[in-house]
Amino acid sequence: NAGVTQTPKFRVLKTGQSMTLLCAQDMNHEYMYWYRQDPGMGLRLIHYSVGEGTTAKGEVPDGYNVSRLKKQNFLLGLESAAPSQTSVYFCASSSLGRAATEAFFGQGTRLTVV
Amino acid sequence: SQKIEQNSEALNIQEGKTATLTCNYTNYSPAYLQWYRQDPGRGPVFLLLIRENEKEKRKERLKVTFDTTLKQSLFHITASQPADSATYLCALPSLGNTPLVFGKGTRLSVIA
Repeated sequence: NAGVTQTPKFRVLKTGQSMTLLCAQDMNHEYMYWYRQDPGMGLRLIHYSVGEGTTAKGEVPDGYNVSRLKKQNFLLGLESAAPSQTSVYFCASSSLGRAATEAFFGQGTRLTVV
Repeated sequence: SQKIEQNSEALNIQEGKTATLTCNYTNYSPAYLQWYRQDPGRGPVFLLLIRENEKEKRKERLKVTFDTTLKQSLFHITASQPADSATYLCALPSLGNTPLVFGKGTRLSVIA
């Protein structure tokens, strides 16, 4: 009964380094999302996907790339990390359809860029 | 784009009282609105969903109202307990029904 799993939970990067955050869900959800959460800013959408092979930009996409090669996985990449990308990153998923459905969140990845 | 305002950043109440949190939105009226709870160091957890044609929704000690005229939702926790202390987020679908846009949250502290 894993739900949404994020890897890693914590990471420290040096400015300019790259990394990939992995999100995996076992609920067969079509929609997946990456949010970042900063103090005083709330949750902001970075990128999202409405199905395997699709991605779309959210509110704050600059500096990030994503891929959804498999339905259950949604990867978030930072090509050249900057201190402004220090944040807590949350992945979420929800089921298909225009019917309102809840979003399930992972436990978060705390990223520090020094 | 949709803008969401939650009435206050922090709210302190005495145990046993009713906590009332407010969520106001601008622009278009969504088909539904959701409330989530977030504990420190954890991801948000879904609590309740209310649709535009529903005035009120209840779940145990929780009650949510949705006023599309006022563009406002109220979230009530009755007989509050210290275990209810957390940050509560309201969320609406962006235009086209997905994905969710979140408010900044209200941090509730229930004092024994």
